[in-house]
Amino acid sequence: EPEVTQTPSHQVTQMGQEVILRCVPISNHLYFYWYRQILGQKVEFLVSFYNNEISEKSEIFDDQFSVERPDGSNFTLKIRSTKLEDSAMYFCASTSTDTQFFGPGTRLTVL
Amino acid sequence: LAKTTQPISMDSYEGQEVNITCSHNNIATNDYITWYQQFPSQGPRFIIQGYKTKVTNEVASLFIPADRKSSTLSLPRVSLSDTAVYYCLTSGTYKYIFGTGTRLKVLA
Repeated sequence: EPEVTQTPSHQVTQMGQEVILRCVPISNHLYFYWYRQILGQKVEFLVSFYNNEISEKSEIFDDQFSVERPDGSNFTLKIRSTKLEDSAMYFCASTSTDTQFFGPGTRLTVL
Repeated sequence: LAKTTQPISMDSYEGQEVNITCSHNNIATNDYITWYQQFPSQGPRFIIQGYKTKVTNEVASLFIPADRKSSTLSLPRVSLSDTAVYYCLTSGTYKYIFGTGTRLKVLA
């Protein structure tokens, strides 16, 4: 069964550093998403991406964040200058219809 | 601000039916309702999706009343491995809102 994959599983970085989180969506899916989940809290929407552009973003997704689909398979989330409060699980999801399928997540720890 | 709420936690015994309700008062006309299961340090796992009335698959049923302001996930005969956090998600064009999550604990 096809699945969404994410790398790395855990990323530790220093405050102020740039990080790139990577996702490989399910191959025939056209819509891509990033979500985050702070420890002990619910999952929060960050951004959706379709046809090589952002289709919607939440208020969390400020100028420090960017997304890219650099080739036909990867979908990345970049945080330009990490803050302590960026520490969270980041989930990628993809869909071809209305059902989003989620990856296993990347745990980002900002020190 | 749209808010999608769920009971914080529920306990059940093995073999019982569990019903978890999600309140989504501000659901839009074209929003779907999807339920996910999440284990610690894992991504949400799809359980079931619906738009209105009742949907059933091999693992769960989803009940959606006519006004669609709430939905109920029904898990028949739960087992210990169903212990997890359950989330509803309302999603439509450019709007994706997760519920607050319900922590289900299944006891032997």
